[in-house]
Amino acid sequence: DTEVTQTPKHLVMGMTNKKSLKCEQHMGHRAMYWYKQKAKKPPELMFVYSYEKLSINESVPSRFSPECPNSSLLNLHLHALQPEDSALYLCASSQDLIGSAGNTIYFGEGSWLTVV
Amino acid sequence: AQKITQTQPGMFVQEKEAVTLDCTYDTSDPSYGLFWYKQPSSGEMIFLIYQGSYDQQNATEGRYSLNFQKARKSANLVISASQLGDSAMYFCAMRREGGNKLVFGAGTILRVKS
Repeated sequence: DTEVTQTPKHLVMGMTNKKSLKCEQHMGHRAMYWYKQKAKKPPELMFVYSYEKLSINESVPSRFSPECPNSSLLNLHLHALQPEDSALYLCASSQDLIGSAGNTIYFGEGSWLTVV
Repeated sequence: AQKITQTQPGMFVQEKEAVTLDCTYDTSDPSYGLFWYKQPSSGEMIFLIYQGSYDQQNATEGRYSLNFQKARKSANLVISASQLGDSAMYFCAMRREGGNKLVFGAGTILRVKS
C-alpha cells in the first residue's frame, strides 16, 4: 500500500466551483510534489514544496493554488478551472528536494479530476 | 539536458514469460539515478526499482531487474515470470545528482496475455 494518500479519489467540479485536493504522507519526507497527468502521457511537474516552502512553480496558472500546512500535508486548491484541466493529479514525496540521485520520489494513488 | 527515450509504445507478453522494456537515456551528468515506475489503470504510480550510475551491479527487486549498460546509456527493465497483474503503463525516469526534477520517458503499455 502507498504511504502517500490522496483524497478525493474522484472529483467532478463545475467551472465556477472551488474545490481542493488533499495529500498526506507519514514517511518524514521534507519534499512534496504535485504532478498533472493526461491520459497516456507521463506526469508533468506542477509544484514542489521543500521544508514547507514553495520551491518550484512550473508556470502553473493561478487557478491552481498549492498550500503546505505542515510537513505531512499538501493541498491543491482549485478555482475557475477549465475542461482542459481534467486530468489525474498525483501527489508525491521524497526525503528531500536536492540530494543524492537515489532520492526516490514516491507517488500517491492520484485524484481523478473532471471539470464540466 | 536530460532525456529519456522509451521506443516501445506497447508490448504484449504471454503469462509466465519474461519481458524486457527498453529505456535509453541521454545526459552529460556523471552522477545520476534511473528509476522505473508502474502505473496500473487505477492511476497509482508505483516505484519499482532504482539504479545508480556508479552502481557496479544491476539492481534487482523480486521479479524486476534492471539491465544497466552505462556505455550504451540504456536501462532496460526485465520482468520475469509475467503475471496478469503486470499489465500496466511503465515509465522510465532519471534524476541527476543534486537535481530537483524527475525526467520521464513517454512510457510503455504492457499487456500480459493468459
